[in-house]
Amino acid sequence: AQSVTQPDIHITVSEGASLELRCNYSYGATPYLFWYVQSPGQGLQLLLKYFSGDTLVQGIKGFEAEFKRSQSSFNLRKPSVHWSDAAEYFCAVGLMEYGNKLVFGAGTILRVKS
Amino acid sequence: EAGVVQSPRYKIIEKKQPVAFWCNPISGHNTLYWYRQNLGQGPELLIRYENEEAVDDSQLPKDRFSAERLKGVDSTLKIQPAELGDSAVYLCASSPTYRLDNEQFFGPGTRLTVL
Repeated sequence: AQSVTQPDIHITVSEGASLELRCNYSYGATPYLFWYVQSPGQGLQLLLKYFSGDTLVQGIKGFEAEFKRSQSSFNLRKPSVHWSDAAEYFCAVGLMEYGNKLVFGAGTILRVKS
Repeated sequence: EAGVVQSPRYKIIEKKQPVAFWCNPISGHNTLYWYRQNLGQGPELLIRYENEEAVDDSQLPKDRFSAERLKGVDSTLKIQPAELGDSAVYLCASSPTYRLDNEQFFGPGTRLTVL
C-alpha cells in the first residue's frame, strides 16, 4: 500500500544551524512528492514539490529537497534555520491512479532554540 | 486574494449531537477537498468535489457524515450523530483543478472536540 513515513516526530535545532527532515515513501510508480508546512492556527502551506527532472528542488522560505529514487526518500533541508521556521512539516505523495489523491506522512514538529 | 475560509474555527459538542462545518474556497477554484487531521497525524482525505459533484468520497463514513457543495462554490460537511472518535481538525482545501501540478490551498481548519 502507498504510504509516507516521517521517522522523526520531533526535531530541535538551534537557530542558525542546518536542518534536514526525513521522508520515505512507499509507492510503485513515479512519485509526485510534496512538502507542506503547518504553523499553529494556520492551514498547510506548500513549500515545494517534485514531479520530474532535476532531483534537487528549490522551494519557498529557503527550503530545498532532494529526491533519491534508490532510497525512496525526499528529504527536506535548510542551511540555516530561523526561529520563524518552528512549525510542523508534512511530506506527501500524490497518487495519480487514485484521482491524484495526496497521502500525507504523520508530520515532524520542528522546534528552534535560540 | 482571499484564502480558503472555514467556520467555525473551534467547536465543542456532546457526543450524539450534530455538527456542521462550512468552507468557502478560493474564487474560481473548481476542486474542493475535505480532510480530517487526527492528533499527531497528517491530513486524510474525506471527500473531493469537482464543481458540485462528489467524485471521491470513498473515505467518508457515510453512516454519519454527509457533505454538499451546492452551486459548486462553498461547501458544508456534517456529522450526525458525533462520536468521541470524531474529535479532530477538519481541513478544507481548494485548487483550480484536481491536477497534481495545481497547488492545494488549505484553510485554517475547524477543531472539533466531542465530549
